[in-house]
Amino acid sequence: DSGVTQTPKHLITATGQRVTLRCSPRSGDLSVYWYQQSLDQGLQFLIQYYNGEERAKGNILERFSAQQFPDLHSELNLSSLELGDSALYFCASSLPGQGAYNEQFFGPGTRLTVL
Amino acid sequence: DAKTTQPNSMESNEEEPVHLPCNHSTISGTDYIHWYRQLPSQGPEYVIHGLTSNVNNRMASLAIAEDRKSSTLILHRATLRDAAVYYCILIPSGTYKYIFGTGTRLKVLA
Repeated sequence: DSGVTQTPKHLITATGQRVTLRCSPRSGDLSVYWYQQSLDQGLQFLIQYYNGEERAKGNILERFSAQQFPDLHSELNLSSLELGDSALYFCASSLPGQGAYNEQFFGPGTRLTVL
Repeated sequence: DAKTTQPNSMESNEEEPVHLPCNHSTISGTDYIHWYRQLPSQGPEYVIHGLTSNVNNRMASLAIAEDRKSSTLILHRATLRDAAVYYCILIPSGTYKYIFGTGTRLKVLA
């Protein structure tokens, strides 16, 4: 158990819908990262937040957005869902400090299925 | 961003050492080398990281070539639980973005 929690574990929805994935980082971690893992794309970095502010952006679609709240939990919002958005979505957290020095702790993931 | 190259898959016998190679010929002086692994149906898990010197921890050892253009993750005694996809990632100092490659799928034979 990494200490990072993600809800829900599974989510099934239809094309065109909007969903929210939730992540609670480990106690004391200020950074939260979101990743998407699909069969054909592998593990892709989406976005990072540090203490409520966006810090780094990766291959995140405009239909996707995220935020980190004052209690440090984070939400990833996915809208206008398409079949290709079906994937595992992982959240990770890390201690304050530079990413190169600190390990990331990954949650168990949310499996999103878009029908 | 500097890229890494890893073999797609490797096999090892249980209780034998495993050497997982990673090539990173375009590494820059400030890039840290991190290794993660992903067990089936789980999120990635940190294994080890280093900059220039070899590193050891309870899970594994990391051997870094003198020119830093390659590194090797060493599992001293493979167990069935070590069957996973192993990712070698370069992380520039000051960045927060992890770029995962396709990794090496390690199969451990009983």
